[in-house]
Amino acid sequence: SQQGEEDPQALSIQEGENATMNCSYKTSINNLQWYRQNSGRGLVHLILIRSNEREKHSGRLRVTLDTSKKSSSLLITASRAADTASYFCATAYDYKLSFGAGTTVTVRA
Amino acid sequence: EPEVTQTPSHQVTQMGQEVILRCVPISNHLYFYWYRQILGQKVEFLVSFYNNEISEKSEIFDDQFSVERPDGSNFTLKIRSTKLEDSAMYFCASSSQGTTKAEAFFGQGTRLTVV
Repeated sequence: SQQGEEDPQALSIQEGENATMNCSYKTSINNLQWYRQNSGRGLVHLILIRSNEREKHSGRLRVTLDTSKKSSSLLITASRAADTASYFCATAYDYKLSFGAGTTVTVRA
Repeated sequence: EPEVTQTPSHQVTQMGQEVILRCVPISNHLYFYWYRQILGQKVEFLVSFYNNEISEKSEIFDDQFSVERPDGSNFTLKIRSTKLEDSAMYFCASSSQGTTKAEAFFGQGTRLTVV
């Protein structure tokens, strides 16, 4: 299976702290994408990192990709209550995205 | 900001009935997708659609499922004879260049409940 797997499954942090979650996958990818899902709602695209890129930033988000280890990480800096959500990595290959099980992040005020 | 819209937001249907889930992708996008998420489980790929034909489909997308782009703006998913296990959140997505090159934009989903 191509699917990414996130670690940890759940994360609880204080507002202002950083949140880091990891994603591992099994086979070749074209790119890796991170999405956020608020409870019961749609998936919001956060960031895309191509297979030839090692790091990418977008606002308070920092994503790394290590294709030799088949892993990626998402760092959210200076977290806010509004960052409370589930975060999914998705590997892109062969006309589809394969999603992991997600990391549920709770930011406490 | 352009967005993918899905209707209805919630559909309840009797087992064995046909349902059609509707989506309006972002207007200049060429690649369209359906995914589903059973409660508490991963988001699963169902089908990708480009140039008026299916590019790829998963094992889930059997003969009970079909997709159509009837009028150049809508993209529909039909389930011919629903089963209890079809109960899930169904997401439509679109992409400008396909997910191997660009991000996908997802709709808010249709929650399908089969009773």
